[in-house]
This record gives sequence, C-alpha cells and structure tokens, in this order.
Amino acid sequence: QSALTQPPSVSGSPGQSVTISCTGTSSDVGAYNRVSWYQQPPGTAPKLMIYEVRHRPSGVPDRFSGSKSGDTASLTISGLQAEDEADYYCSSYTNSGTYVFGTGTKVTVL
Amino acid sequence: QVQLVESGGGVVQPGGSLRLSCAASGFIFGCCGMHWVRQAPGKGLEWVTFIRNDGSNEYYADSVKGRFTISRDNSKNMLYLQMNSLRVEDTAVYYCAKSLFDAFDIWGPGTVVTVSS
Repeated sequence: QSALTQPPSVSGSPGQSVTISCTGTSSDVGAYNRVSWYQQPPGTAPKLMIYEVRHRPSGVPDRFSGSKSGDTASLTISGLQAEDEADYYCSSYTNSGTYVFGTGTKVTVL
Repeated sequence: QVQLVESGGGVVQPGGSLRLSCAASGFIFGCCGMHWVRQAPGKGLEWVTFIRNDGSNEYYADSVKGRFTISRDNSKNMLYLQMNSLRVEDTAVYYCAKSLFDAFDIWGPGTVVTVSS
C-alpha cells in the first residue's frame, strides 16, 4: 500500500488560508468517506483534527475544515495562527481493510 | 480522562523480539478497535496493525505481516504488540491509538524501539 501524496510544505501569513491536498486512489480515498487529518507539532503525538472527511472532534477550532473530491481530500486552515505551525498528515481506510497515511505536510506560519 | 500509555520499548539486536504494551483508561476499552502506528526518526506516520474491539479480527501492514502480532485483554484494559524478527528498519516511535469511525482519535505519547547491533 503506497502512502497518500501530500505536498511537502505549505506556508502562509497570519490570518491567511492554506489548503493541504491528499491524493490517493480509487482503493482508498476515492472509495470511502473515511479520510482523517492529524496535526503533529515537533516532538509530540499526533492529534485528530478531522474525521470522516469533514467532521471536527470536540475542541478543534472551526478554522479547520475538510473536503473531498474523487481521489483527493483537502484540509483547509482559515485565519492561520502561529499555533497552527506543525506537520499535518492525512489518513484513509482502504478496501483491503487496512489504513494508509499521507506523506506529511509541514505548515509554516510566516 | 481518556488516556493511553505505551511501554516496553528499548534497544534490541536485529532478529530479536520485543513486546509492547498499551494501558488504556478513562473509557470502555472493549468498545473500540485499537491500532498501532509507528514513526521512524525524521519520517512520517506508518500504520502498523489494527484489532477489532472483541479481538475477532486483526489486520497488518505488509511490512510487518508474519513478524508482528497484535492482541488485547479487555479484562485488563490492555493492548499488546509482539514484535519478532526485528529489523533495523523497524526502529521507530510506536504509538497505540483508539479507533473512531476509522480515524485515530486518541493517541498515547509513544514508546521508542531501536533495533541496532
């Protein structure tokens, strides 16, 4: 199972919006609405930010939103803040009953 | 509060074995499927294995199939990962994570496994 493809890095100024893409195949991202997103600041465990493409767990700011079209999912951070600087990973359930993560994207707040 | 804490990491020689444990608290452990996820130094996240809430089914990444075994004891709120035939490329931080709608909603702090001669 190959990793989902994410851009290595994205950046934006405070208050701007950034979008991270996550491209898979018809066997994973395109097959199910079981795409999730994780935030991982350096040296810490990942934190769930979005599940089932667009749902936010309790406590996650509504600045974070998710979407999907075909084999590509996206995470958008609106009103970028300094505390959003971290690595972000997508994940998807696959038709083999397994799971796959994305390659990861480093978000930099300029 | 909901919490997962891994233990059992350490340094092991190639070909050796190690058993990781994950203690769960703050939720009904038997409700939920559980995962192990790993992260090699400076690398991204890699899903390793999943076990259903009642232990009836297990799934593995191709990279560990036949070498690693996931198990659980719902009476003790414990998750385990038996790792055999360890390779240098298995060196990583190993996280246990709780499953929610095929997402990983609660993570432990991780335990470090180093495979080196």
